[in-house]
Order: sequence, then structure tokens, then C-alpha cells
Amino acid sequence: QKEVEQDPGPLSVPEGAIVSLNCTYSNSAFQYFMWYRQYSRKGPELLMYTYSSGNKEDGRFTAQVDKSSKYISLFIRDSQPSDSATYLCAMSGGYQKVTFGIGTKLQVIP
Amino acid sequence: ETGVTQTPRHLVMGMTNKKSLKCEQHLGHNAMYWYKQSAKKPLELMFVYNFKEQTENNSVPSRFSPECPNSSHLFLHLHTLQPEDSALYLCASSQIQGLGSTGELFFGEGSRLTVL
Repeated sequence: QKEVEQDPGPLSVPEGAIVSLNCTYSNSAFQYFMWYRQYSRKGPELLMYTYSSGNKEDGRFTAQVDKSSKYISLFIRDSQPSDSATYLCAMSGGYQKVTFGIGTKLQVIP
Repeated sequence: ETGVTQTPRHLVMGMTNKKSLKCEQHLGHNAMYWYKQSAKKPLELMFVYNFKEQTENNSVPSRFSPECPNSSHLFLHLHTLQPEDSALYLCASSQIQGLGSTGELFFGEGSRLTVL
């Protein structure tokens, strides 16, 4: 079993839709949860960061962590074509080893 | 220059060549990393440097040789690579405190390597 499972997609949605991206994990030691966005031919950029369980909102983006279910989500409201990218979930136990998901490729159709 | 810069952006090399990838971070961080990104695989951590000292070598073949002359610069020296080493090589930096790290990484744009 992989430490982090993420559906690679691709996921295609119409502009304005609510997008839900998810990851599951198996390591209960993970405490820090991140979402990175990677545009084509670019490096990943940190989009959202959450410590432990709960929700965090930043503009159109909401990150949720449910440690009891070992499940994290990223919601994108009012999706835009500029949101088309690959979204990587990542998590760590407080040390420098960060474990990444495979990434979900999202395409928002105008 | 801001953030993390990597050069070259693209590199094509034969299996017998020797080349180097360069990374520079302008964020004042104290840790730097090399990651490998291959198609349909998660990011793979290769090397970690804290305060310019290597603290992790994630079972990387010796044909990859890292060098960290100071906290701002990181190199990856390449020699006698194999075609399966073709990938995007990403440099990242972070700020660590003691043994702890939140995992927030700042990545460069990567060096796309093709081995013929």
C-alpha cells in the first residue's frame, strides 16, 4: 500500500464548477498537510498548508483534513481556466521528509 | 532574482557525458533539496542538505553526485547516466528549526533532463 494515494485524473470540469480533489494516506504520524499546484513546465508552488485536522480557507480554495479517516481534500470554488494545473497533495510528520501524492491533473473548460 | 532559480532549464546528454545542474535560492533558507519528478510517479526525494551539510541520501545511484558549497547554492553533478534517468529534476529550499520542519518547500522551475 502506498503511503499516499491520489487519483491522477485527468479531471475536466466546466468553468465555474466546484472542484474537489482528494488524497488518502496510511501513516498516522503525518501532522502537516499541504497542497501544491504545478503548472505545465513549471515547478510546484505551495498553495495551501494545514496543521493537523480542520479546515483552512484562502479565497476560492478550502483545504480540509480529517485525521481520523486519514483523508484530505482541496476544494476550489468558481473554478477558472487559470486553475488548470496538476495538484499535488503532500504531507509530513514534522521532519524534513515530505511524502507526495502522484498529483491530479485538472482542466477547467471555458 | 527571487525565489529558487535553476539552470539549465533543459539539458540533453549522452550516456557518457558529464554535466551539472545548478540551483540558487534567494530566500535565506537553511535547507536545500534535490527531487526527481518522473511521469506517473510521485516526487522522489534524492538529497537533503541542512546548513550545507548532507543529511540524507535517499539510496541514489552514485552517478548522481550532489554538492552544496554554501546555504544558497546546490549542484547536482551527472555522469554516465542511463536513459531511465530522464526526468524533471527539481531543487527546493526550506527553513528548518532544530530537527523540525513543517514541510513547506519552495521549488525552482526544474531542469528537464533527457539522456540519449
